[in-house]
Amino acid sequence: AQSVSQHNHHVILSEAASLELGCNYSYGGTVNLFWYVQYPGQHLQLLLKYFSGDPLVKGIKGFEAEFIKSKFSFNLRKPSVQWSDTAEYFCAVNADTGRRALTFGSGTRLQVQP
Amino acid sequence: SAVISQKPSRDICQRGTSLTIQCQVDSQVTMMFWYRQQPGQSLTLIATANQGSEATYESGFVIDKFPISRPNLTFSTLTVSNMSPEDSSIYLCSVEIGGLREKLFFGSGTQLSVL
Repeated sequence: AQSVSQHNHHVILSEAASLELGCNYSYGGTVNLFWYVQYPGQHLQLLLKYFSGDPLVKGIKGFEAEFIKSKFSFNLRKPSVQWSDTAEYFCAVNADTGRRALTFGSGTRLQVQP
Repeated sequence: SAVISQKPSRDICQRGTSLTIQCQVDSQVTMMFWYRQQPGQSLTLIATANQGSEATYESGFVIDKFPISRPNLTFSTLTVSNMSPEDSSIYLCSVEIGGLREKLFFGSGTQLSVL
C-alpha cells in the first residue's frame, strides 16, 4: 500500500524567508504527486501536480516542487513566503495502479509571521 | 472546474443519532469520493461512491456505519450512522472530472461534532 510522510508538522517563518516542506512517499512504481493547500476556513485547493516529464514543477502563487525519484521525495519550495501563505499544506500521491483516489500526508501547518 | 455544494456545513449531533451529508456538483463527474479529516490529522478516504452500484469502501470503513448513495452523476450522500464522539471530524466530498490528469476538486466540508 502507498503511504505519504510529511515530517514537518508545524513550521513558523518570517515573511521573505525561504520555504521547503518535505514529502516522501512509499511506492516503487509510477506515481502521480500533488500538493494541496488549505487556507483557514477554506477548502482544499491544488497548488501543483507532477505526472511525468520535467521533475521540477511550478505551481500557483510562486510555489514549486521537485520530484526526486531516487529519494521518493516531492518537496515543496517557495523562495520568499508571504503572510498570506499561512495555511495547511498537504502532499498526496496516487500510484499508477488504477485506484483513482489520493493518499494524503498528515499535513504541515505553515505560519508566516509579518 | 466544478462547483461542489456540500450540506450541512456543520452540525452538532447527539450520540446514537445519524446524520446525512449531501454533495451536489454542478456538472457530471466521473468519480466521487468521501474523505474524513479528523482533528489534527490528514484526509483519509472513506469510500468511492459509484453511480448505480454499491460504494467501494476502504479498509476500516463499512457500509453499515457509513452508507453512501449516488443516484446520478451529480449527487451523492454520506450517512454517519449511530454516531459516537469518535466520529467528530470534517467530512469532505471530492470529485474527479475528465480523468485524474484534471484537477481533483473538494467540497468545503462538513464539520461534525458528536456530543
